[in-house]
Amino acid sequence: EIVLTQSPATLSLSPGERATLSCRASQSLSSSYLAWYQQKPGQAPRLLIYGASSRATGIPDRFSGSGSETDFTLTISRLGPEDFAVYYCQQYGSSPLLSFGGGTKVEIK
Amino acid sequence: EVQLVESGGGLVKPGGSLKLSCAASGFTFSSYTMNWVRQAPGKGLEWVSSINSRSTYIYYADSVRGRFTISRDNAKNSLYLQMNSLRAEDTAVYYCARQDPNWNYVGYWGQGTLVTVSS
Repeated sequence: EIVLTQSPATLSLSPGERATLSCRASQSLSSSYLAWYQQKPGQAPRLLIYGASSRATGIPDRFSGSGSETDFTLTISRLGPEDFAVYYCQQYGSSPLLSFGGGTKVEIK
Repeated sequence: EVQLVESGGGLVKPGGSLKLSCAASGFTFSSYTMNWVRQAPGKGLEWVSSINSRSTYIYYADSVRGRFTISRDNAKNSLYLQMNSLRAEDTAVYYCARQDPNWNYVGYWGQGTLVTVSS
């Protein structure tokens, strides 16, 4: 069973700072099937990145994804006030069929 | 515009049953694999179940296998989740979610429906 571990659990930063979020898989993944989501309180998640590094439609270029095999990273180059939220990584294809990491909360310092 | 609207949530006693529905519009429902994903209060996202476009491939998380049944009616553009033998740990917001056919991410989510299992 593949387990996705996200770190840190909480990231305290100021607007304008750079955020680096990690997602580590317990086994090697296909980069094609690694995605990142943003979720704000009371809302459904929103797709940010798919295929490890491709931005979804309408996602600002301050969001970028990278990584391969077991180590993946979501970077927000300059935090805007609207970027303070919880971020999840997600894999597809390995048991379980689809799974999410535990999330990283990006909070205002 | 793609829309996914869940319904059927509510309060149910442990051991009880509930059936969730998801009405889809704005896309060719019969062409997409659909999922249910849940989120317990204050917790992260948990994939529950997946069904492909023709209902020939169905998968469940270990936590619900044998208790939950996913189904769909392409003629009615609807997705369902029959939940039996409900437990307190099944309390969550349940999201209907459309899977991208090429990259297998969840591109569209409903607004969610809350299921509370409590005596």
